[in-house]
Amino acid sequence: DVKVTQSSRYLVKRTGEKVFLECVQDMDHENMFWYRQDPGLGLRLIYFSYDVKMKEKGDIPEGYSVSREKKERFSLILESASTNQTSMYLCASSLAGTGGGQPQHFGDGTRLSIL
Amino acid sequence: EDQVTQSPEALRLQEGESSSLNCSYTVSGLRGLFWYRQDPGKGPEFLFTLYSAGEEKEKERLKATLTKKESFLHITAPKPEDSATYLCAVSKLIFGQGTTLQVKP
Repeated sequence: DVKVTQSSRYLVKRTGEKVFLECVQDMDHENMFWYRQDPGLGLRLIYFSYDVKMKEKGDIPEGYSVSREKKERFSLILESASTNQTSMYLCASSLAGTGGGQPQHFGDGTRLSIL
Repeated sequence: EDQVTQSPEALRLQEGESSSLNCSYTVSGLRGLFWYRQDPGKGPEFLFTLYSAGEEKEKERLKATLTKKESFLHITAPKPEDSATYLCAVSKLIFGQGTTLQVKP
């Protein structure tokens, strides 16, 4: 079974802090993704990566950056956290293939609160 | 503009009462349509991939179908454990907002 592990289930941070969300997958998947999920807005893609050291902007990249130094690990960084970044953050991975043609496997999410 | 719309937003069924969830899409160059199930406090769990119109996939009480404009998730004789939010997504990494299903015993 594919396992995608997110480092924290719940996280509380303060406005202006730099926040790191970590994600690790154990199935040697090439693709990794970061989403945020908000009531009424559904899942929205922040960033994704098709290979180590590669990254692509999703639909809502503003205020975020990512890092992928190793194939199995994809980090989401909030450069200077703001209250409107309070959300559920979901990491996913999938087999190779651009254009999103492979099913994704998700972690259980990090619920982030910015005070 | 690429778009995915799910209906209804919420659905309440009695145990054993079959129904269907709808996912309508307007996407150029579709390379797959995906159904996921999400339980409260969990990440989405992959159910099905459909690649071409006319394709059908089944798993237990669930059957997914695809046309050129929409997909249906048919639930036959549902049980309370089928209660969850069902998400539809297309190959351009666009998700619908989901249908929250509640099945009462």
